[in-house]
Amino acid sequence: GDSVTQMEGPVTLSEEAFLTINCTYTATGYPSLFWYVQYPGEGLQLLLKATKADDKGSNKGFEATYRKETTSFHLEKGSVQVSDSAVYFCALDTGRRALTFGSGTRLQVQP
Amino acid sequence: SAVISQKPSRDICQRGTSLTIQCQVDSQVTMMFWYRQQPGQSLTLIATANQGSEATYESGFVIDKFPISRPNLTFSTLTVSNMSPEDSSIYLCSVTPGQGGEQYFGPGTRLTVT
Repeated sequence: GDSVTQMEGPVTLSEEAFLTINCTYTATGYPSLFWYVQYPGEGLQLLLKATKADDKGSNKGFEATYRKETTSFHLEKGSVQVSDSAVYFCALDTGRRALTFGSGTRLQVQP
Repeated sequence: SAVISQKPSRDICQRGTSLTIQCQVDSQVTMMFWYRQQPGQSLTLIATANQGSEATYESGFVIDKFPISRPNLTFSTLTVSNMSPEDSSIYLCSVTPGQGGEQYFGPGTRLTVT
């Protein structure tokens, strides 16, 4: 079945450090890929998406590129801020519209 | 996008009782989804609710435990029946209003069963 694997957390970084959160997937066909973010005490928000191979999704300084050859969708940001501290979820949709989520990665950014 | 509200936002319930969670969307949508997020865990899909048809449940979830109603294109309810402490979770509804596949989530209902 479909699955998403994310790197274990928590990830602890200093402000302005470079961020990478790894995400790989297993799916039949060509899924759409998403990153969602859950800030402390808040609901789940869509951060970015990519719907086909080599697409790059971007938002709020975050980027992720859909790599079909490595079945990956790693999340990156060049310079993190304290306000980026949250849990990040990678997810996929194979067309049935329901999402399959990874386990989530907690990011802690220290000033 | 879509604006989704859920009621209640949180509740503490006794074992053996039932709780109905409401989900209201500000626009008409065909598909609505119910997810569960157990403490410290990721989201797991419970069921897909389409207006005018029976909900489709994922493996491990049954209608007797999680009955769902979908009376119109903007509203759905999820009931957690005969609750036990293992049902303590955040329950979220979501919708896909457009063709891009992205889902928008409600704020969640935090349920604690004692």
